Amino acid sequence: GQNIDQPTEMTATEGAIVQINCTYQTSGFNGLFWYQQHAGEAPTFLSYNVLDGLEEKGRFSSFLSRSKGYSYLLLKELQMKDSASYLCAVRDGNYKLSFGAGTTVTVRA
Amino acid sequence: GAGVSQSPSNKVTEKGKDVELRCDPISGHTALYWYRQRLGQGLEFLIYFQGNSAPDKSGLPSDRFSAERTGESVSTLTIQRTQQEDSAVYLCASSPRQVEGARGYTFGSGTRLTVV
Repeated sequence: GQNIDQPTEMTATEGAIVQINCTYQTSGFNGLFWYQQHAGEAPTFLSYNVLDGLEEKGRFSSFLSRSKGYSYLLLKELQMKDSASYLCAVRDGNYKLSFGAGTTVTVRA
Repeated sequence: GAGVSQSPSNKVTEKGKDVELRCDPISGHTALYWYRQRLGQGLEFLIYFQGNSAPDKSGLPSDRFSAERTGESVSTLTIQRTQQEDSAVYLCASSPRQVEGARGYTFGSGTRLTVV
């Protein structure tokens, strides 16, 4: 089976940095995704890692260590609009994503 | 269309009734997926369609759940004899083909199903 763990909630101040960790144990690995989901909206793609290391995309960065079964999403220069749920997902075949429960990030002024 | 369209956006039904949820994928996307998201939980894989291949139904939770798709067009997810535990948001996603690289999936906004 698939086991993907991430914290339930995080709170940070506008302008700060927040790191959301994700650990996984899956039968097979073919990439790790991060999605952002605002309340009542569809998840939207943020980042993808398949090799170890850091991928940077503007204010968002994602890191992967396959040997440790670990990833994190780093949000820099937090803005109020970044308040959302962040979903970690692992592709365990060539098409199926298994998702964690999501981390709700609240940005305070 | 420009995005994945799902209807209805909200559905309230009585326990024991059947419901049908619809997903209209992005034009040209051959792969279509259904996920279920219960309150406070992650996305649970239900079923996957790829072109005219046999669908992967391994995630359907019981025989009350079924889904159809004709070719590369609209898909319907049917839940028979609904139960309160079926209450969730049902999300549909499509992709150009079996997901490759970083393209991921494009999700619809979901159907919020409430069984009372």
